[in-house]
Amino acid sequence: QLQLQESGPGLVKPSETLSLTCTVSGGSISSSSYYWGWIRQPPGKGLEWIGSIYYSGSTYYNPSLKSRVTISVDTSKNQFSLKLSSVTAADTAVYYCLTLHPKYYFDYWGQGTLVTVSS
Amino acid sequence: EIVLTQSPDFQSVTPKEKVTITCRASQSIGSSLHWYQQKPDQSPKLLIKYASQSISGVPSRFSGSGSGTDFTLTINSLEAEDAATYYCHQSSSLPLLTFGGGTKVEIK
Repeated sequence: QLQLQESGPGLVKPSETLSLTCTVSGGSISSSSYYWGWIRQPPGKGLEWIGSIYYSGSTYYNPSLKSRVTISVDTSKNQFSLKLSSVTAADTAVYYCLTLHPKYYFDYWGQGTLVTVSS
Repeated sequence: EIVLTQSPDFQSVTPKEKVTITCRASQSIGSSLHWYQQKPDQSPKLLIKYASQSISGVPSRFSGSGSGTDFTLTINSLEAEDAATYYCHQSSSLPLLTFGGGTKVEIK
């Protein structure tokens, strides 16, 4: 059973870069069974897909965020990461790392981590 | 972008009642529609994949139907533990995966 755990700063200043890491246990990130990705949820609001990456490095990004987002994989640490640049208060949200099944539904989710953008 | 519109936004239901939540897509997505349940302060959980396919471990009172643009999530005989927000998600329009706005189900 895969388990995912997000880590990173809970507070980021406006205009800076948000950086989060997801550590995967119970399976290898190099597995061809999944894409790895991120979704966010502003407080009291709905879900927004940010992007996903395959272990080979190929990526899909939400076009609305694509210019600011980088998702990468570190197979040596069994981790993948999210970087979101030039953040504003609108980027305040709970960020979830998760798996995207090859048939394109989200099946394993981390517990989520709240990131607040504020000076 | 494919827009998913869920209705209702909110539903207050007594235990053992039947609950029906609809999700309408702005264009045809075949059966590429999935349902998730998010309980308060928890991560979402996959309930139904590809409109009507069940997920191991999910109670049989949850079922899905539909294709094209109109989809339904049904909860037969609602239980108190089903209080949650339910989201639909489409995977027809890669690379943009989108969600509906959510339906909150409250237990009376």
